[in-house]
Amino acid sequence: DAMVIQNPRYQVTQFGKPVTLSCSQTLNHNVMYWYQQKSSQAPKLLFHYYDKDFNNEADTPDNFQSRRPNTSFCFLDIRSPGLGDAAMYLCATSTGDSRMAQYFGPGTRLLVL
Amino acid sequence: QKEVEQNSGPLSVPEGAIASLNCTYSDRGSQSFFWYRQYSGKSPELIMSIYSNGDKEDGRFTAQLNKASQYVSLLIRDSQPSDSATYLCAVTGGKSSGDKLTFGTGTRLAVRP
Repeated sequence: DAMVIQNPRYQVTQFGKPVTLSCSQTLNHNVMYWYQQKSSQAPKLLFHYYDKDFNNEADTPDNFQSRRPNTSFCFLDIRSPGLGDAAMYLCATSTGDSRMAQYFGPGTRLLVL
Repeated sequence: QKEVEQNSGPLSVPEGAIASLNCTYSDRGSQSFFWYRQYSGKSPELIMSIYSNGDKEDGRFTAQLNKASQYVSLLIRDSQPSDSATYLCAVTGGKSSGDKLTFGTGTRLAVRP
């Protein structure tokens, strides 16, 4: 089945210790998105790639970076996690047509100690 | 004014009843409308998409769109305890969002056995 996969599902890191979350897709979609979602809040878009074109949201902290080495994979790097970065991180994909939905992976729950 | 507004709930309905979830949006240029279901601790799952005024039915779910009133709703017939989740309304295609999803904060639905 075509799908969006995220690894790891749970990540525990220490304050200030860099962490990388990964996302892969078999849908062959052009666009890959990274969202941060905190409890009882809507998902917040951090950035997205349209093919290799990187689009950063204006309010995404510099602490968050992303890489998309090929169509299938996208990574979220948090350079120096703070306690406030503890959240669910969601990867989503779409064809890029605004009429088409985004499809989400299962998410990675990040805990910062 | 929030771009996409939903009543946070919880909306409590008895098993077998119709649950009615509502959403309003501010960008009159919005073109595509989606309902996602999100169980606690899980990622959003696409339930319905709607693009034209009127009703769209899929099994027990009916999405309703009224662009003149900038209003979209989701009806769940014969509600089951397994429908208990947070329902996120999302829109795209507006001037401010383009192909990015703008989410509401979600309505929590509780179906009582």
